[in-house]
Amino acid sequence: AQTVTQSQPEMSVQEAETVTLSCTYDTSESDYYLFWYKQPPSRQMILVIRQEAYKQQNATENRFSVNFQKAAKSFSLKISDSQLGDAAMYFCAYRSYYTNTGNQFYFGTGTSLTVIP
Amino acid sequence: DVKVTQSSRYLVKRTGEKVFLECVQDMDHENMFWYRQDPGLGLRLIYFSYDVKMKEKGDIPEGYSVSREKKERFSLILESASTNQTSMYLCASSFLPSTNEKLFFGSGTQLSVL
Repeated sequence: AQTVTQSQPEMSVQEAETVTLSCTYDTSESDYYLFWYKQPPSRQMILVIRQEAYKQQNATENRFSVNFQKAAKSFSLKISDSQLGDAAMYFCAYRSYYTNTGNQFYFGTGTSLTVIP
Repeated sequence: DVKVTQSSRYLVKRTGEKVFLECVQDMDHENMFWYRQDPGLGLRLIYFSYDVKMKEKGDIPEGYSVSREKKERFSLILESASTNQTSMYLCASSFLPSTNEKLFFGSGTQLSVL
């Protein structure tokens, strides 16, 4: 089974600054998808950004961008111009490209981000 | 707007009780999932279903069962609740055909077993 590792249980950032959350994963597959999900105090999980492994270009969504290093199996999330509303638990997730290997997403253990005013 | 609804936000049960956690989605999704979320452990898959009456075990199915009699509804059942099943339970759904389709989550049920 694939494993997803988030080595930073907690991070903090000053408002308006930039922060990077780390994620590494282990897989023998060549095609897959990677995701960052955000879980605010409301508990509603929200998709932040996703990356297809076959794409070399890093995904970006407004203030959120990723640094995808396929050979290193690394998928970090950069949040620019941090806002108070970015405070949440962030989960990195992996999904196989092939549906016949199961419809499972594999999640990391999460990074709790605090934004300091 | 897309919706996954979990019937209870908070639930308190006693050891040995039979517990039903209900989840309903209104997006006609084929896939539905039950996850358990614990601090330091992230989200762990209990069961998933890719069609009515179909189910597959996830990584931690012991002590749980599921039911999917209708496409929109996926129930998680704790046959005899134990204190180590105190946790946050998240339901999610997604389309089957598109492999990169994101998961849509409910707001979670915080279950306490006393």
